[in-house]
Amino acid sequence: AQTVTQSQPEMSVQEAETVTLSCTYDTSESDYYLFWYKQPPSRQMILVIRQEAYKQQNATENRFSVNFQKAAKSFSLKISDSQLGDAAMYFCAYRSAEQGGSEKLVFGKGTKLTVNP
Amino acid sequence: DGGITQSPKYLFRKEGQNVTLSCEQNLNHDAMYWYRQDPGQGLRLIYYSQIVNDFQKGDIAEGYSVSREKKESFPLTVTSAQKNPTAFYLCASSRRSLYGEKLFFGSGTQLSVL
Repeated sequence: AQTVTQSQPEMSVQEAETVTLSCTYDTSESDYYLFWYKQPPSRQMILVIRQEAYKQQNATENRFSVNFQKAAKSFSLKISDSQLGDAAMYFCAYRSAEQGGSEKLVFGKGTKLTVNP
Repeated sequence: DGGITQSPKYLFRKEGQNVTLSCEQNLNHDAMYWYRQDPGQGLRLIYYSQIVNDFQKGDIAEGYSVSREKKESFPLTVTSAQKNPTAFYLCASSRRSLYGEKLFFGSGTQLSVL
């Protein structure tokens, strides 16, 4: 079974600075998808970014980018120009490509990000 | 506006009682999911459904039951067999695809035991 590990339970960053959240995963599959979801204090889960394992190019969404290292099974999230609204729990998630049409995700335990003004 | 509605926001269960959490979506998604979130933990999959009248167990289905009689609705019943039901429950939906679709989440239900 696949597992997702987020080794940093908590991180903090100064407003306008850059922070990187770590995620590693364990799988024997070659094709899969990786996600970062954000959960602010409202507890609403929001998709931040998505990566397809067969694409070597790292995904980018505005201030959010990933460093996807397939051989190392690493999928870190970089947040540039951090804003107070980025404060949230961040979850890394894995989705096998071999599960038909369902989005069964395996989640890490999360990293709580604090943004200091 | 399209979205997922979960109700109630807070729910209390007495010993030996079954309770049902509601989840409704108007996104026309075929697939729906129930996740459980405990403090300091990630989300764990309880049940999921890819189509009406069909559903599959997730990783922690014991003590829970679901139904999918309508495309829009996927209620979750927490039965008395679930000995540790206190948690935050999230419902989600997605399109059916081979290509890693985005999950749309509801705002959650916090279930506590009296």
